[in-house]
Amino acid sequence: EVQLLDSGGGLLQPGGSLRLSCAASGFTFSSYAMSWVRQAPGKGLEWVAVISGGGITTSYADSVKGRFTISRDNSKNTLYLQMNSLRAEDTAIYYCAKDSIVRGYYDSSPQAPFDYWGRGTLVTVSS
Amino acid sequence: DIQMTQSPSTLSASVGDRVTITCRAGQSISGWLAWYQQKPGKAPNLLIYKASSLESGVPSRFSGSGSGTEFTLTISSLQPDDFATYYCQQYDSYPRTFGQGTKVEIK
Repeated sequence: EVQLLDSGGGLLQPGGSLRLSCAASGFTFSSYAMSWVRQAPGKGLEWVAVISGGGITTSYADSVKGRFTISRDNSKNTLYLQMNSLRAEDTAIYYCAKDSIVRGYYDSSPQAPFDYWGRGTLVTVSS
Repeated sequence: DIQMTQSPSTLSASVGDRVTITCRAGQSISGWLAWYQQKPGKAPNLLIYKASSLESGVPSRFSGSGSGTEFTLTISSLQPDDFATYYCQQYDSYPRTFGQGTKVEIK
C-alpha cells in the first residue's frame, strides 16, 4: 500500500526557516518524480515544486523560487522541502504528492497527474 | 502560466441529480487534464486523468470529457458521498495549475 507521511509543519515568524519531510513507502520511491502542493486556508490548490526520481532535475513555482528548495534522499525514501525567508502568504497546508507514471532518473516531465497525496502538514507564518 | 477557470464556483444539487462542472484552459493542453475530489480536512483524490480516463477504484458515475481548452466532469447520479469540492488541473506544462474549485453542496 502506497503511503506518504508528510511532517515538519509549525508556527513561525516571518523571515524564518522550516524543513518539511515526506516519508514514502509501498512503491519504488526513486522511480517517481515527487511534488509539493500547498493550500492556503479556505483557498484552492497551488503546485509548489517538483523533483525528478533521481533528484537531479527540479522546478519551482515563481512564488517560491529562490526561497524554497526541494530535495530527496532515495536511500531513506524521503522527500524534503526546505523553506527559507518565509512570508505570511506562505501559510498553508503543504502536501507531498506522487506522480502516477514511472520516469527516468532525470525526468520530471509534467505529463502525469498525482495519484497519491500525503495527509498534509500545516505551516503558519505569523508575527 | 496556463490559467484554469472552473464554473460554477458553487453548485447546489440533490441526491440523484446529474451534475456537470466545466473547466477551461487558457491555451490548449492536449488532453493533459485531471480532476480531483477534496473533502474537508482531507487531501485531494484523483478521479479522472487524461481528460476522460477513470482512475482505478473510482465509481463509474464519474466521467470526464473534452479536448483542447474545454473540459467537463460529469457525475451521472449524485450520491451523498459526492458532496465535496472538485478541482481540475492541467499537467501539460509547468507550473502545473489548478482551477479555483467547484464546491458541490446539498440543495
